[in-house]
Order: sequence, then structure tokens, then C-alpha cells
Amino acid sequence: EVQLVESGGGLVKPGGSLRLSCAASGFTFSNAWMSWVRQAPGKGLEWVGRIKSKTDGGTTDYAAPVKGRFTISRDDSKNTLYLQMNSLKTEDTAVYYCTTIGDDQLLNYGMDVWGQGTTVTVSS
Amino acid sequence: QSVLTQPPSASGTPGQRVTISCSGSSSNIGSNYVYWYQQLPGTAPKLLIYRNNQRPSGVPDRFSGSKSGTSASLAISGLRSEDEADYYCAAWDDSLSAHWVFGGGTKLTVL
Repeated sequence: EVQLVESGGGLVKPGGSLRLSCAASGFTFSNAWMSWVRQAPGKGLEWVGRIKSKTDGGTTDYAAPVKGRFTISRDDSKNTLYLQMNSLKTEDTAVYYCTTIGDDQLLNYGMDVWGQGTTVTVSS
Repeated sequence: QSVLTQPPSASGTPGQRVTISCSGSSSNIGSNYVYWYQQLPGTAPKLLIYRNNQRPSGVPDRFSGSKSGTSASLAISGLRSEDEADYYCAAWDDSLSAHWVFGGGTKLTVL
């Protein structure tokens, strides 16, 4: 079964840090371009950033609101994606999803994958 | 303010046909594929349409997508109560800071 499972969410104070993980299974994770997307309470979807596969350079891109504060990385040996979040702000409060959005490898099979989401709350 | 513009709400009665529009620009919809997602309350988004008009297996053919220039639309025919959900369009944006962009979402109500 193709699956993504996020973990690591929780309550953190403004200025604090948190690391989210996303465990992948059922597809060739090492070939996938992976993204994080978040959704603030009652709001729409917002792309956070992505990491390409190592064979495609393994480079990262970030949305302007998180650039310089968030870092995306991957461990292909563990089929796991990470999101390191530093200098957290109250406006970072959201459900964070990992996803294969736009990855051609999976889209060629007519699919993309989203995790169930993990909740991050930034509050004093 | 979302980069892609969708109507905040849409509605229809069972059996009707409803369309949801998504307006962008030359750097996103105008030059890249459009994707549509359905999100039921408390769940992750589900891919409905990819590469402008392709349907994943398992998505009913009541759902269809189209694109023209810098706009796209999602059509739902034979509306059913279970179609009541939030719908989002998405596209890659090739502007200076390349990134994925989403519409603000359309809440579909089945009357």
C-alpha cells in the first residue's frame, strides 16, 4: 500500500523549534520529489517547500514565509522525509502534510500521495 | 491572498452540473499543468484531476477538468451529496521564486 505517515507535531512556544518526520512506503521513495504543504486552521492549502530526488540533484525550494527558518531533508535509506522548523511563529500554526504533489514518477501511474497530517501549534 | 483565484463557494442540487473556476497567470496555469483536489472535513486532500484533465483511477467520470490559457475549471456532473467538500486547484509557478501555488478553495454545498 502506498502510504505517507507524518509524526512529530505538537505544541511549541514562539521562537522554538520542532522537527517533523514523514515515513514513506509502497513506492520508490528515493526517486520521488517530496513536498510539505500546510493548512492553518480554517484556511486553505499553502505549499511550504520541496526536495528533489538525489538523482535530480537533491536541491530544495522554499516558500517565502518559511525561507531561512525551515529546512527540508531526506534519508533515502530510511524512506523518510524531514522538516526542521526553527524560529517558529504563531502564524506557523497549521496541519502539516507531506506529499508527492507533482512527482512525475507517481503521476505516470495516475496518483499522488498525501499523509494524514500532523498538527503544529505555536503558542505561548 | 491566494495566487490562484477560486470562488469561495458553489452550490447545486443533486443531479445538477456544477463548475468551479480557477484563474491564474502566465507563470502558473498559463505554462504548467493544473491539478484539482477534493478535501473532506478533517481529512487530507485527495487528487481528483491531474495534468489538466486526467482522472486517477477510482475517481468517477462525473469529475472532469479543463484548461484554457490562464484559467482552468473543474466540472462535476450528476451532483451527489457526498460531493460536498472543499475543492482546491493547484499549479507550479515558474516565477522568480518557483513554487507550488493553490487556489483559496471552493466550498461546495449540495442543497
